[in-house]
Amino acid sequence: QSVVTQPPSASGTPGQRVTISCSGSSSNIGRNPVNWYQHLPGTAPKLLIYSWIQRPSGVPDRFSGSKSGTSASLAISGLQSEDEADYYCAAWDDTLTGWVFGGGTKVTVL
Amino acid sequence: EVQLLESGGGLVQPGGSLRLSCAASGFTFRSEAMSWVRQAPGKGLEWVSGIGGSVAGTDYAGSVRGRFTISRDNSKNTLFLQMNSLRAEDTAVYYCAKSYDDRFFDYWGQGTLVTVSS
Repeated sequence: QSVVTQPPSASGTPGQRVTISCSGSSSNIGRNPVNWYQHLPGTAPKLLIYSWIQRPSGVPDRFSGSKSGTSASLAISGLQSEDEADYYCAAWDDTLTGWVFGGGTKVTVL
Repeated sequence: EVQLLESGGGLVQPGGSLRLSCAASGFTFRSEAMSWVRQAPGKGLEWVSGIGGSVAGTDYAGSVRGRFTISRDNSKNTLFLQMNSLRAEDTAVYYCAKSYDDRFFDYWGQGTLVTVSS
C-alpha cells in the first residue's frame, strides 16, 4: 500500500478537463516537491511536471500541476486521446529516505 | 541525446541472484545520481534504490534493503543492481532512471524484465 495516495482511475471525453489528486504526509509532500510522470505500459515513463508546477520543455501546457499542504494535483485540460496513460505522482520521503510514488491513476478518454 | 539501456533481466528461481546493468550515454554520467525503479505486473511504479553521483551514497527501499546492492562504474558509464535472495514479489520490469540534481527523474530507460519463479 502506497504512502502516497492517488485515485485508481479518472476519465473524461475529448476536450474535457480531468484532475488527479495526490495525497501524502508531512514527511513527503508536506515538505518536498512533487513530480508527475506519464507512463504507457511497456514504454519508458516520462517526466510531465516537476517541482509542483514546472513543465519540462516539450510538455504541452494542457498539463498543469498545483499544490495544497500535503496534497498535489495534476490537471489535464483539453483532454486528447493520446493522453490515455497511467499517471504517477512522486516525492522524496524524509522519514523513509527514499522516493515514494503514488499508486498511479489510469486516465481513460471516453 | 541521453540514452539509458538496461540489460541482465531474465528468469531466476526463488533464492537466486541476478545482476542488472544500465549503460548510459549522452550526459556526464559520473556527475549524476541514478536510481532503479520497478513495476510489478499489474502494479504501480516503486522506487528500489538510488546512488549519488560524485559522492556515491546509496539508499534503498525497505523491501529490498539487505538483499539488493546498487553500484556504479563511472569509467564505463554503467549502473548496476545486484539482486540476491530473490523472491516472487521481486518479479517486475526494472527501469534505470537518471536524476536531475536529486530533484526528479528526467530520463528513463525502456526497462528489463525480471521473473522470479520456480
